[in-house]
Amino acid sequence: QQQVKQSPQSLIVQKGGISIINCAYENTAFDYFPWYQQFPGKGPALLIAIRPDVSEKKEGRFTISFNKSAKQFSLHIMDSQPGDSATYFCAAGRTGGGNKLTFGTGTQLKVEL
Amino acid sequence: EADIYQTPRYLVIGTGKKITLECSQTMGHDKMYWYQQDPGMELHLIHYSYGVNSTEKGDLSSESTVSRIRTEHFPLTLESARPSHTSQYLCASSRQTGHYGYTFGSGTRLTVV
Repeated sequence: QQQVKQSPQSLIVQKGGISIINCAYENTAFDYFPWYQQFPGKGPALLIAIRPDVSEKKEGRFTISFNKSAKQFSLHIMDSQPGDSATYFCAAGRTGGGNKLTFGTGTQLKVEL
Repeated sequence: EADIYQTPRYLVIGTGKKITLECSQTMGHDKMYWYQQDPGMELHLIHYSYGVNSTEKGDLSSESTVSRIRTEHFPLTLESARPSHTSQYLCASSRQTGHYGYTFGSGTRLTVV
């Protein structure tokens, strides 16, 4: 049962472009939505996270947009750089859920020169 | 720099062998997790722990077992390895209260031949 659906599975973006990765969730009890970045041979690392009381959060070139009514959230990477080439995972968790996170299936991003 | 350490990084082992994957963290986190990562990237929770002497099975059925005798240590054991156990195993930890991001280790890539 996939509670967090992520798309696209892979993405190629030109340097300087905007990378957009989308996630949709089913469980309305989720109240924490982090994004993780994983480089080959490494474990995922927390990139940015949002709670449903705000519709957008920005940290540097990375922005999360959150649509509570649609149960969707997305990651936007502005001015994408080759160093951003990695696998990105969205996730969702709920208060009282023991901080267990349900992860999306991942998006492999490649930023080309 | 990782404050959560996994050993070994790579392991090739024959069918039927008993193996233990080590995971240690120095952050004093109460919550720890084991995820299995498919070659296709998806992360599946197989075990978690809320503290010493607390362990629970995750969403994905696994033949492995875990123990939590010390806060900092959360080893995973396979009593009899099989080729179907070939995967990447990621250990993570998080703070006890509220929603905080996970800190992941670099993983153990296990191959059972």
